[in-house]
Amino acid sequence: EVQLVQSGTEVKKPGESLKISCKSSGYSFTSYWIGWVRQKPGKGLEYMGIISLGDSDTTYSPSFQGQVTISADKSITTAYLQWSSLKASDTAMYYCAKLGDNSEAFAIWGQGTTVIVSS
Amino acid sequence: QSALTQPPSASGSPGQSVTISCTGTSSDVGGYKYVSWYQQHPGKAPKLMIYEVSKRPSGVPDRFSGSKSGNTASLTVSGLQAEDEADYYCNSYAGSNNFVFGTGTKVTVL
Repeated sequence: EVQLVQSGTEVKKPGESLKISCKSSGYSFTSYWIGWVRQKPGKGLEYMGIISLGDSDTTYSPSFQGQVTISADKSITTAYLQWSSLKASDTAMYYCAKLGDNSEAFAIWGQGTTVIVSS
Repeated sequence: QSALTQPPSASGSPGQSVTISCTGTSSDVGGYKYVSWYQQHPGKAPKLMIYEVSKRPSGVPDRFSGSKSGNTASLTVSGLQAEDEADYYCNSYAGSNNFVFGTGTKVTVL
């Protein structure tokens, strides 16, 4: 069974850096795509960007370009989302999700990582 | 890249049907067959319900169906059940490895 397990809740101060993770397991292929999705409290889903675990090819949503960095380590089947300088407005739940095989849909989701940025 | 437009809410009695629309543009919904729908219960991660406009993943009841006409996609839940009460989001591929979500619709089972 394919699973995505995300790192735990983070509480940070404005200006701090952060890197959260999404580890995949139970999938035998080495090349697949993991996307990141933001959900602010009480709000909808926002697509942030996507990365290929096979060659780290990355695309950012225009709304998030330059705001975050998406990376991956194929050897440990883990994708990352990082900030160099957090803002209070980054407070949200962040989900990673795996694109389905041969379909442009997010078939498997992680449990989410809560990020709280507060002084 | 603007969010796809969904009605904020929809409701129906048990056993009835409810249809949710998702309106985009020719650059997303109208341009690709890659429209998907997600169900999200409070405090839970989203779950894929429909992909490629009208296909159901294994395990999703056939009460859920999808369609598309032009720049508007639709999700219909037939035979509403209490457990269908949730938020629903559409999503469309928008080219060049970009995707866009809908604004979300809260479905209430009366």
